[in-house]
Amino acid sequence: NAGVTQTPKFRILKIGQSMTLQCTQDMNHNYMYWYRQDPGMGLKLIYYSVGAGITDKGEVPNGYNVSRSTTEDFPLRLELAAPSQTSVYFCASSYSKGGGLAGPRGETQYFGPGTRLLVL
Amino acid sequence: KQEVTQIPAALSVPEGENLVLNCSFTDSAIYNLQWFRQDPGKGLTSLLLIQSSQREQTSGRLNASLDKSSGRSTLYIAASQPGDSATYLCAVAHGGATNKLIFGTGTLLAVQP
Repeated sequence: NAGVTQTPKFRILKIGQSMTLQCTQDMNHNYMYWYRQDPGMGLKLIYYSVGAGITDKGEVPNGYNVSRSTTEDFPLRLELAAPSQTSVYFCASSYSKGGGLAGPRGETQYFGPGTRLLVL
Repeated sequence: KQEVTQIPAALSVPEGENLVLNCSFTDSAIYNLQWFRQDPGKGLTSLLLIQSSQREQTSGRLNASLDKSSGRSTLYIAASQPGDSATYLCAVAHGGATNKLIFGTGTLLAVQP
């Protein structure tokens, strides 16, 4: 298993540009997540998904959009990049028997290697 | 609002020492607490997960404890090695309508050979 893979590894954007960060997992996990990590800070949840077709906002969703058309893929879309979105983005996945938007009760999450984004 | 704090922010120890990393949280209504390791430029690796009903978990040289009532957890690393050098993050799965991981800011550990 490759686990959780993310592309690209690094990207520089100009203010106002758009891009999609790709995330794929091959563990057949039902839950997937997007986090951002700013320098010297912990991770903050942007969006998460409990299964194909179901997504919900996390702690810092403004400026981002997500979709979940398949179990494996969970892309994160930045529509109008701003300097405040300069960060490292991590995708994660987990398996939970629990259902619904209430969340997975914090089962072990498996993380991708991250995408470093610089907005200038 | 749940807040997670880790002290110290950075720690340097000589190889072979036993050490303790601290994590505190403000709301005891958690489902579990997890410790992660993050290497530079890499993603997070889960080390230990303690359910809210448990007091501790052990894996090799690592031992994590949880005291929900006082809002504290510790990660004990025995006989530290240079390969243990990394950032250690704790995260709580918070109760309520939005069950999500709330992360601390991490402790940067350097083990000197």
